[in-house]
Amino acid sequence: QVHLVESGGGVVQPGESRRLSCAASGFNFGAYGIHWVRQAPGKGLDWMAFIQYDGSNEYYADSVKGRFTISRDNSKNTLYLQMNSLKAEDTAIYYCAKDRDGMFSSGWYVDHWGQGALVTVTS
Amino acid sequence: QSVLTQPPSVSEAPRQRVTISCSGSSSNIGNNPVIWYQQLPGKAPKLLIYYDDLVPSGVSDRFSGSKSGTSASLAISGLQSEDEADYYCATWDDTLSGPVFGGGTKVTVL
Repeated sequence: QVHLVESGGGVVQPGESRRLSCAASGFNFGAYGIHWVRQAPGKGLDWMAFIQYDGSNEYYADSVKGRFTISRDNSKNTLYLQMNSLKAEDTAIYYCAKDRDGMFSSGWYVDHWGQGALVTVTS
Repeated sequence: QSVLTQPPSVSEAPRQRVTISCSGSSSNIGNNPVIWYQQLPGKAPKLLIYYDDLVPSGVSDRFSGSKSGTSASLAISGLQSEDEADYYCATWDDTLSGPVFGGGTKVTVL
């Protein structure tokens, strides 16, 4: 059974950094691409980033490009999201989400989601 | 402002059928498969429909998807109280070169 567990959420001040982790189990982690999708309080889903199955390629939404970095350690079955220069508008629940494939493509879809980690950016 | 447009809310009585629309353009829905997710209150999203009209194993066959041109629809038949949730459409956008989501539709069972 696929299991994704995010950790690292909390309250941070504007301009600070935070790293989220996502521990995966129940599937061959190194064979699949993983997304980060966020959801601001009371708002809809917003795609943030994707990393290819082997970590060789990363893709970002314009809103976080240059501030957020997605990475993975396939030996530890763990995904990361390093968030720098955080802003109030980054306040959201951050979900790690497994893609049905290993590559970034138009045939994408997320077939399993974690429970999410709440990051609150406030002074 | 979401790239894909959904009605903010729909409501219907139990056992009835409700349809949720998702409108896009030729650079997204018109050229790529559509996905639908269900998000129950306080929970993570769940895959409901993929590749326009395919239902994953374990998902009720009361849910169905369709697409025509640059619009897609999710239909829920035999509406039940447990279907009260937010529903999101999603697809790939060729111009943005990445995934996009609709703004979500809240389904209320009267």
